[in-house]
Amino acid sequence: GQNIDQPTEMTATEGAIVQINCTYQTSGFNGLFWYQQHAGEAPTFLSYNVLDGLEEKGRFSSFLSRSKGYSYLLLKELQMKDSASYLCAVMDSNYQLIWGAGTKLIIKP
Amino acid sequence: ETGVTQTPRHLVMGMTNKKSLKCEQHLGHNAMYWYKQSAKKPLELMFVYNFKEQTENNSVPSRFSPECPNSSHLFLHLHTLQPEDSALYLCASSQVLAGDADTQYFGPGTRLTVL
Repeated sequence: GQNIDQPTEMTATEGAIVQINCTYQTSGFNGLFWYQQHAGEAPTFLSYNVLDGLEEKGRFSSFLSRSKGYSYLLLKELQMKDSASYLCAVMDSNYQLIWGAGTKLIIKP
Repeated sequence: ETGVTQTPRHLVMGMTNKKSLKCEQHLGHNAMYWYKQSAKKPLELMFVYNFKEQTENNSVPSRFSPECPNSSHLFLHLHTLQPEDSALYLCASSQVLAGDADTQYFGPGTRLTVL
């Protein structure tokens, strides 16, 4: 079966760095997405990786290793507004998104 | 604001009621999706429409009935729901469906409670 694993919850301190991991086993691979979802709001697109390596976008970076079935989202200089759930999703060979259950990130002052 | 709107934002209904959820996208996209999001569970894809044609129906019970009159509007008609259907229902859209890994853009969702 297809599976996406990510930690249920993480806690970090304002101003620090946090890394949210995602491992996947899917039927084929057409890219990996990260979304941010604040409570009661729409998931919003953060990043897309299809080739191995690191993609940097401001305070957020996303890394992919296809051979290891692994990705991480790196958040730097954490701000209180970064408290949210972070969703990892992989597009399989049928171009269907397979979703993880999300990681709830709690930022403390 | 993602360019995808959903109404109502909150809905409480009894098991014998009939209601409809509405989604509208202002992005000029060709594909639209309905997802169910339950607490601490992955998003569950329910229905997919590409150019107004339904292309996916992931074994969703018949008490959920989708309608896509045009590429900008999507409805989810609800009837004789069960309490376990209580969840956040999310609508999304993307530019094209097949052959490309297009980003999906989500609406804020409808929080549905079935009593």
